This record gives sequence, C-alpha cells and structure tokens, in this order.
Amino acid sequence: QVQLQQSGAELAKPGSSVKISCKASGYTFTSYAMHWIKQTTGQALEWTGYIAPGSGGTKYNEKFKGKATLTVDKSSSTAYMQLSSLTPVDTAVYYCASGSSFAYWGQGTLVTVSS
Amino acid sequence: DIQMTQSPASLSASLEEIVTITCQASQDIGNYLSWYQQKPGKSPQLLIHSATSLADGVPSRFSGSRSGTQYSLKINRLQVEDTGIYYCLQHYSAPYTFGAGTKLELK
Repeated sequence: QVQLQQSGAELAKPGSSVKISCKASGYTFTSYAMHWIKQTTGQALEWTGYIAPGSGGTKYNEKFKGKATLTVDKSSSTAYMQLSSLTPVDTAVYYCASGSSFAYWGQGTLVTVSS
Repeated sequence: DIQMTQSPASLSASLEEIVTITCQASQDIGNYLSWYQQKPGKSPQLLIHSATSLADGVPSRFSGSRSGTQYSLKINRLQVEDTGIYYCLQHYSAPYTFGAGTKLELK
C-alpha cells in the first residue's frame, strides 16, 4: 500500500535551517507531484508548494518563496523540504502529500523553533 | 489567490442526524475540490475528490455536491467515528488553498 514516511520532530533555534524528509513507497515515485502543507496549532492548513519528482520542477506558494526549498532523491524515492532562516512563526506540523487529489499523506513532522 | 470560505466553523449534531458543510470558492474552480477529515494527532484523510466522487474505502454515508462555486459535503446518519475537523481544498489554481475547517462534534 502507499506510504509516505516522514522524518522525526525537529527542535531548531531561530535563524537556523532544518531539512525534513518524506520517503514514498507503494507507488511509482515519479507518477505524482509531492506537495508540502503547513499546519499551525490553530489548525489552519497552508499549501507551501510542490515538486514534480520526475523533472525536479517546483511550484511554490509566493508566501513560502525564500523560506522553503523542495528537492527529491529519485534513487531513494524521498522528497525533502528545507526551511531556512527559521523564526517562531515557522513552528508547525509539516505534511507531505501525494497522489491524485492529495490522496496520500505523511504522518507529519513537528518543527519547533525556539531559543 | 482563490479564497475558500468554509462554514460553519463548528457544528454539534446528534447520532443519525444529517450534517452538511459548505465551501464557497471565490472564483470558478471547476471540479477541482476535495474534502478531508482530520482526527486529533493524525493527518488529513481524503473523503471526496473531484467535488462529488467518493474516495476508496470511504463509507457511502459521505457525499459531495456542487452548485456553481458552492461545494457541499453531506454526512447521512452521523456516526460516532465521524467526529473531527473537515477541510475543503481547491487544487484548480496555485496557490492551492484550504477552507478554514469545520469542527464536528457529537451532541
């Protein structure tokens, strides 16, 4: 079955960067775009962007340009999102999602930004 | 950006009751509308895609409909396991946008 396995929780200091991963299995990795979604404790969901694993092409939400960088490693069917220049506002759970109509979601990675 | 106005923000309903949640899109999004259910501490789960199509494994008491730019999720005969937060998502035009969510509780 399709699985998206995300990396563990991160505790980061303001100004630093984190890179979270999402390993896909159970389907052809290059068949679907990989999306990343931010969910704050207020429970709002924000789409940050997607990457097409086959071409490496990306589309970002303007709000996250310069904040998020999406990459993939096709050899390991893993997608990555790097978040840079972290501030407390970046504290959230980040999900990867793939499949038609975002059918498949990872379990989420909590990123906490605190000094 | 396309705005998705979801209502109500919260809802308390009884077992077996019929529940309806709506999302109003700020412009035409065709059928590029999905509905998700999220339980505490879990990731969202797809219920309805393409505005009206039931996702695999989802009980048939869930249904989706569209009238112009208004989209609705209907739950027939509410069950205990249907509590949670429901979100709509438009993936017609980037940036893709979610509704603010509807928290559904049992009365």
